[in-house]
Amino acid sequence: NAGVTQTPKFQVLKTGQSMTLQCAQDMNHNSMYWYRQDPGMGLRLIYYSASEGTTDKGEVPNGYNVSRLNKREFSLRLESAAPSQTSVYFCASRPGTGFMNTEAFFGQGTRLTVV
Amino acid sequence: DAKTTQPPSMDCAEGRAANLPCNHSTISGNEYVYWYRQIHSQGPQYIIHGLKNNETNEMASLIITEDRKSSTLILPHATLRDTAVYYCIVRSNYQLIWGAGTKLIIKP
Repeated sequence: NAGVTQTPKFQVLKTGQSMTLQCAQDMNHNSMYWYRQDPGMGLRLIYYSASEGTTDKGEVPNGYNVSRLNKREFSLRLESAAPSQTSVYFCASRPGTGFMNTEAFFGQGTRLTVV
Repeated sequence: DAKTTQPPSMDCAEGRAANLPCNHSTISGNEYVYWYRQIHSQGPQYIIHGLKNNETNEMASLIITEDRKSSTLILPHATLRDTAVYYCIVRSNYQLIWGAGTKLIIKP
């Protein structure tokens, strides 16, 4: 079972460049999430999609945009990368919508460095 | 701000029970407590969650105090593979609020 797949696994960008992080899940989950994790810290929610066709801001949305392309795919875009966006990015999905009273499944992360 | 407080690190001998405490004194009546762990820099892995009653699954047990202001995750027979950062989390609206977690080191 693939679960949650993120691409790429590693990326180095120059300041001002743009890129899209891809996430796909094969578990038919309704809800999908993008988090970032800075060294020594917990995860912070960037955006989430409670169901296909909807997206909402999380705790740290500035500098990012998202697209819920279909039920399987949820992409995160950095329009103009900044060094402060150097982080590890995790995508997650879970069955159901609304409050998170079910298990979330995480991808293996994308390690992004902005120089 | 994170709504949970955990010790930054703990050690436990292999084969013994690992007891990880968490304080969540501001938890609301309908908020669940979740535990995840993160091994090295992999994606977090779900362990268990609960509301009021104690919970047990194949990985761990979750003990929640009667006033719900604190909880303890118990790994009954810790192995070296349980070395990880363990996160105690409560839900806030649609979000899980993550703290810095407890780094649990299992020693041979």
